[in-house]
Amino acid sequence: GAVVSQHPSRVICKSGTSVKIECRSLDFQATTMFWYRQFPKQSLMLMATSNEGSKATYEQGVEKDKFLINHASLTLSTLTVTSAHPEDSSFYICSAGDRVVGYTFGSGTRLTVV
Amino acid sequence: QKEVEQNSGPLSVPEGAIASLNCTYSDRGSQSFFWYRQYSGKSPELIMFIYSNGDKEDGRFTAQLNKASQYVSLLIRDSQPSDSATYLCAVRNAGGTSYGKLTFGQGTILTVHP
Repeated sequence: GAVVSQHPSRVICKSGTSVKIECRSLDFQATTMFWYRQFPKQSLMLMATSNEGSKATYEQGVEKDKFLINHASLTLSTLTVTSAHPEDSSFYICSAGDRVVGYTFGSGTRLTVV
Repeated sequence: QKEVEQNSGPLSVPEGAIASLNCTYSDRGSQSFFWYRQYSGKSPELIMFIYSNGDKEDGRFTAQLNKASQYVSLLIRDSQPSDSATYLCAVRNAGGTSYGKLTFGQGTILTVHP
């Protein structure tokens, strides 16, 4: 089946630094990648949608200059949290969308900003 | 009104019983409906999806869709303790700049006790 590899699974960073999260589709081409954030005991909130080769579309309230998304190829999308602060600590999950395979989720990244 | 609503639970059922999970949605243009299971600290796993009115069965799981009532449900037969998790209902919307994005409900916590 379709697999999306997400790395790192956990990261701890200092306040003010940047963190990059990668998602790779291993056996299919992901034309669209969705990035979600999930706070404890809450559901997944969509942050942005990216299509290969295009700028990402951000959901209302999500700062595009803080959460940089790059989707330069059909197999790789990255989310960079810039100048991270403790309130950015969350579980970040990518999901690759394709009309053939549907939606495939990465394993998630637990970000802790100290 | 939330776009996708679920009873947050917790829903507790005895082992071997039928667990019934419900979801309502507000957008009549919604096209497809997904049920995911999420264990604590993990990313969602797809259980099944449904597009057409009626029932769809897959093993111990049955999804039911009623577009007129904007209602989708998931039945789990012969519930097992390993089914204890948070169940997320997700609705796929069409159109706009974010074609195909999923909107998630807040999730229902299910506990199956021996």
